[in-house]
Amino acid sequence: DAKTTQPNSMESNEEEPVHLPCNHSTISGTDYIHWYRQLPSQGPEYVIHGLTSNVNNRMASLAIAEDRKSSTLILHRATLRDAAVYYCILRDVRTGANNLFFGTGTRLTVIP
Amino acid sequence: EPEVTQTPSHQVTQMGQEVILRCVPISNHLYFYWYRQILGQKVEFLVSFYNNEISEKSEIFDDQFSVERPDGSNFTLKIRSTKLEDSAMYFCASSPTGTGLAPQYFGPGTRLLVL
Repeated sequence: DAKTTQPNSMESNEEEPVHLPCNHSTISGTDYIHWYRQLPSQGPEYVIHGLTSNVNNRMASLAIAEDRKSSTLILHRATLRDAAVYYCILRDVRTGANNLFFGTGTRLTVIP
Repeated sequence: EPEVTQTPSHQVTQMGQEVILRCVPISNHLYFYWYRQILGQKVEFLVSFYNNEISEKSEIFDDQFSVERPDGSNFTLKIRSTKLEDSAMYFCASSPTGTGLAPQYFGPGTRLLVL
């Protein structure tokens, strides 16, 4: 799987937007960009995924650079419940089994 | 909303003992996974399972580990002879398909402590 690079940690004030960056300069044309998060003492949780176009769902938005070498997960209004480790993971749509390879992610701290 | 469940939430065992961790995946999902997370470390893939057989396994998943779907609803991970280094959180996950498009849905985990 292609590698991603994320900052180790970020902070945000509650109710402000958060932009979590991810670099994936070696992404291939068949790699989807997935984001998961892990709240304290819980299992990972799917957030969003995309290929080329920006994506929105009830949890977040995903902005993908035109060259696809980077992406940004956007939380529009951070809440205390959004404090978690966020993982950016590339998944090749051609491969079966869909195994996820987690890096160290970005630990988001939300300040009340 | 359907969710993956895991039992027990905590398990304490003596080194050398066998443990079985249980998972109930989401009912219409076809692919099943086990991951583990040693305290303070990354989430690591162990094994994926489809159509009653292992699809892929990592180097961690050695002969001491086995998986089974005994009754069409449960998915189990067995560790035959536990070692101290098996102490970790074990997460089960399921997905509707096996492509790179399908999200995986994780359970809350079983915390295993080997003494």
